[in-house]
Amino acid sequence: QPVLTQPPSASASLGASVTLTCTLSSGYSNYKVDWYQQRPGKGPRFVMRVGTGGIVGSKGDDIPDRFSVSGSGLNRYLTIKNIQEEDESDYYCGADYGSGSNSVVFGGGTKLTVL
Amino acid sequence: QVQLVESGGGVIQPGGSLTLSCAASGFSFSSYGMHWVRQAPGKGLEWVAIIWFDGSNENYADSVKGRFTISRDNSKDTLYLQMKSLRVDDTAVYYCARAGSVGIGPWGQGTLVTVSS
Repeated sequence: QPVLTQPPSASASLGASVTLTCTLSSGYSNYKVDWYQQRPGKGPRFVMRVGTGGIVGSKGDDIPDRFSVSGSGLNRYLTIKNIQEEDESDYYCGADYGSGSNSVVFGGGTKLTVL
Repeated sequence: QVQLVESGGGVIQPGGSLTLSCAASGFSFSSYGMHWVRQAPGKGLEWVAIIWFDGSNENYADSVKGRFTISRDNSKDTLYLQMKSLRVDDTAVYYCARAGSVGIGPWGQGTLVTVSS
């Protein structure tokens, strides 16, 4: 199964931009990855799916245009522009795998702090 | 709007059993697969189980296989997670979530299961 690796923390100043990275394990370069946002004390919410060609399908409900994704090789990126206070969250990447995509694996998450 | 409300969490001794429920509303429940995902205190997300829209297929994480059973009652728009032989490391907030054509969502607010003697 794929392993998804995320740096544990990131920070950015209000109004700045930040790019979060999710790295797939070797041999899984064709995999798509889903990004999730989890605000403090809340359940996660789907942000969008990304492959090497960029976004796959549509963004999740109420995800601002400030959020975008890209992918290259084993890396899948989530970029947030003009960061707002409400963007301070934990961000997880996840991927389907297995027969019929009937299993899911998550990365360890990145805690984004807005300075 | 889509709403998923988990219930049934609580404190249980190691080796005990507990059944979680997830009441769905705002969408055609019988048309969607459903997931359970858990999050230990201060830790990341761990996928637990999936069930097909019609209950015809299910799959589990290795960590819960043989101990947990996912099921659904489409007549009641309700998802279940039966948990047996509970261990201290099963302590977590358990979320139910809808399987989408892309990604997992929406998610419920979660229910806390604490396994402790």
